[in-house]
Amino acid sequence: SQKIEQNSEALNIQEGKTATLTCNYTNYSPAYLQWYRQDPGRGPVFLLLIRENEKEKRKERLKVTFDTTLKQSLFHITASQPADSATYLCALVDGNDMRFGAGTRLTVKP
Amino acid sequence: GAGVSQSPRYKVAKRGQDVALRCDPISGHVSLFWYQQALGQGPEFLTYFQNEAQLDKSGLPSDRFFAERPEGSVSTLKIQRTQQEDSAVYLCASSFSYRANTGELFFGEGSRLTVL
Repeated sequence: SQKIEQNSEALNIQEGKTATLTCNYTNYSPAYLQWYRQDPGRGPVFLLLIRENEKEKRKERLKVTFDTTLKQSLFHITASQPADSATYLCALVDGNDMRFGAGTRLTVKP
Repeated sequence: GAGVSQSPRYKVAKRGQDVALRCDPISGHVSLFWYQQALGQGPEFLTYFQNEAQLDKSGLPSDRFFAERPEGSVSTLKIQRTQQEDSAVYLCASSFSYRANTGELFFGEGSRLTVL
């Protein structure tokens, strides 16, 4: 069966450290992978998109990698801040559909 | 409007009632998606429209769920004879792309449905 697994439900780190979130998938062949941020009571907000032929994509303090052999994406937030605290969702695009993982709730402590 | 608008934001229904949830996507966006999000879970795909055509409804959990987008803009998700397991946040998203994989999705704030 198809699965999208994000490494843990919750991740707690200290301000200034790098947060690393993992997204693993099985039985998908996505051409694209996206990461979204979701705050409580709000809809997800797009952060980054990475294509299957791209190994890495950066945007300010964010970095995403995509390894189609390992079937894994890593999402990094460097120099983390308390304002980065939120749930982060990975999403695979397969055909016309976008399927989401359950998300990882990140808490950055001052 | 500047973003995706959903109404109502909150809906409480008695079991067995019918509900209708509205989504007003960003003007000009051709793709529209509905997702269901249970507490603590990621969004689960329900259905996809390209303009007025419903190209995929494989995620609709039962025949009590029905979605339409008759003029290719506003969409309505209707749930008939609501059950307690229908309680969730229903998210609508739109994209300028004809296919989801070439563009980001813009989400609304969601409609939280509680079935008593």
